[in-house]
Amino acid sequence: NAGVMQNPRHLVRRRGQEARLRCSPMKGHSHVYWYRQLPEEGLKFMVYLQKENIIDESGMPKERFSAEFPKEGPSILRIQQVVRGDSAAYFCASSPVPREGFLGNNEQFFGPGTRLTVL
Amino acid sequence: KQEVTQIPAALSVPEGENLVLNCSFTDSAIYNLQWFRQDPGKGLTSLLLIQSSQREQTSGRLNASLDKSSGRSTLYIAASQPGDSATYLCAAGGYQKVTFGTGTKLQVIP
Repeated sequence: NAGVMQNPRHLVRRRGQEARLRCSPMKGHSHVYWYRQLPEEGLKFMVYLQKENIIDESGMPKERFSAEFPKEGPSILRIQQVVRGDSAAYFCASSPVPREGFLGNNEQFFGPGTRLTVL
Repeated sequence: KQEVTQIPAALSVPEGENLVLNCSFTDSAIYNLQWFRQDPGKGLTSLLLIQSSQREQTSGRLNASLDKSSGRSTLYIAASQPGDSATYLCAAGGYQKVTFGTGTKLQVIP
């Protein structure tokens, strides 16, 4: 069972370009989370998605950032018109559908991250 | 709003020493507490997950405890080795969201 996969592992963009980060959850997982780790800072929650549905986007910047998790294919974190301050490591995590009667959140399994550098 | 604090921010110990990393959280209404390890420029490796109904979990030389009422968790590392050098993160699992601490950077000196 492959783990959470993210690609690309490293992405370089010039200011004003678009960045697309992909995340394929573990097999059988239908919940995806995106986190951002700025240099010398901790991980910050960005968005929580289920298939075709955004559950919680309270950590997403109001502009230029969007996320989707289509019925087929990976989850995509999209950053439009990137700026230098967007340079960070972006991590994706996945978790399975909660078991019936299980109240709470499941363990999250993290991908290796995508390191975005904006020149 | 959940806030997670880790103390100390950095720790340097000689090889073989036992050590304790601390994590505190402000909202005790958590579902679980997870400890991760992160090597420089790398992703996260899950070490231990403690569900809210549990008090501790053990894996090899690692033992993590959870006291929800006081908002604290500790990660105990026995007989530290140079290969344990990394940043250790704790994460408080709330409803549909995980809040991370800023980490403790550990260096084990041979």
